[in-house]
Amino acid sequence: GENVEQHPSTLSVQEGDSAVIKCTYSDSASNYFPWYKQELGKRPQLIIDIRSNVGEKKDQRIAVTLNKTAKHFSLHITETQPEDSAVYFCAASRAPGAGSYQLTFGKGTKLSVIP
Amino acid sequence: NAGVTQTPKFQVLKTGQSMTLQCAQDMNHEYMSWYRQDPGMGLRLIHYSVGAGITDQGEVPNGYNVSRSTTEDFPLRLLSAAPSQTSVYFCASSLKAGEGYGYTFGSGTRLTVV
Repeated sequence: GENVEQHPSTLSVQEGDSAVIKCTYSDSASNYFPWYKQELGKRPQLIIDIRSNVGEKKDQRIAVTLNKTAKHFSLHITETQPEDSAVYFCAASRAPGAGSYQLTFGKGTKLSVIP
Repeated sequence: NAGVTQTPKFQVLKTGQSMTLQCAQDMNHEYMSWYRQDPGMGLRLIHYSVGAGITDQGEVPNGYNVSRSTTEDFPLRLLSAAPSQTSVYFCASSLKAGEGYGYTFGSGTRLTVV
């Protein structure tokens, strides 16, 4: 099955700096890569996703990049703010009709933005 | 439109007791799933369903049963609770199974087994 590795497990940045979280996946058939943000005591919420026909996607201060050859994808947060402090999860799943279609999650990265 | 509703929010069980965690969605989502979240372990899939009457096992199914008699509801049953099942449980749904749609999560159930 799919295996998703996520690094680092914890990340501290100064407010205003950038943060980068990296994930690698094992299943070459995976083609959908979402990112979820989970604030303390809350549910995970989808913040951005990318499909394998796209190399980069941006939404205001967040962006995701994908390298299918190397089987890794990354989350980039620019101009970090205290409200960006949370646990971030990456995930991967296969294309429709390609067998297993569950999302497999990384173990999460706890991001702390220091004011 | 309530999204995904989970009940209860908190529960304490004694070892050996059984209970059902409820999950309901009102978005006509085809795909529903249950995850457990443990510190340092991320989100692990317990069971999932791609439609009414269809369920399958995930990564950690032992000790849990599910059924999907309607599109809206996907309850998770703990047959005989064990301390190892102490965790936070999330129900998640998606519009279509296997088409790369993001998940909508419920607010979670924090379960403690003593």
